[in-house]
Amino acid sequence: GDSVTQMEGPVTLSEEAFLTINCTYTATGYPSLFWYVQYPGEGLQLLLKATKADDKGSNKGFEATYRKETTSFHLEKGSVQVSDSAVYFCALSDPGGSYIPTFGRGTSLIVHP
Amino acid sequence: NAGVTQTPKFRVLKTGQSMTLLCAQDMNHEYMYWYRQDPGMGLRLIHYSVGEGTTAKGEVPDGYNVSRLKKQNFLLGLESAAPSQTSVYFCASSYYSGRSGANVLTFGAGSRLTVL
Repeated sequence: GDSVTQMEGPVTLSEEAFLTINCTYTATGYPSLFWYVQYPGEGLQLLLKATKADDKGSNKGFEATYRKETTSFHLEKGSVQVSDSAVYFCALSDPGGSYIPTFGRGTSLIVHP
Repeated sequence: NAGVTQTPKFRVLKTGQSMTLLCAQDMNHEYMYWYRQDPGMGLRLIHYSVGEGTTAKGEVPDGYNVSRLKKQNFLLGLESAAPSQTSVYFCASSYYSGRSGANVLTFGAGSRLTVL
């Protein structure tokens, strides 16, 4: 079945550092890929998405590129801020499969001033 | 628009008690979901619904029941609460964008349940 594997956290960075959170997936079809963010005490919200190979999703300075050859969708940001401290979830939905999203376990990001 | 609203936000139960979590969405979404979030386990799907009057089991359905009598509401019930059901519960909804579309979920703020 479909699965998502993302790097374990926590990831601890200083403000203005470069961020990468790795995400790889397994799917039988051609899934859509997502990053969701969960700020403390809140529900998840969509950060960005990509629906086909080589698509780049971007939002709030974050980017991720759909790499079909490596089955990856790594999240990057060039300069993190304290306000980016949150838990980040990689997810996929497979239109050719059940359509119900599959989530990774989440990666906690802590940014220090 | 309110989006997805969950009630209650917090609840403490004793083992064996029953309760219902209510999820309401005002976006006319066809799909609705209940997840639980536990430390180190990420999000796990309990039950979901693809339309009014339908429900289906997710990854961890045991000990829970659901109902979708109205399109905008999705209820999660615990008939006999156990300490293992202590968790944060999230409801989500989405519209059906077709087999070529992306299934984007809108989440509620969560309901924290403690079973003593």
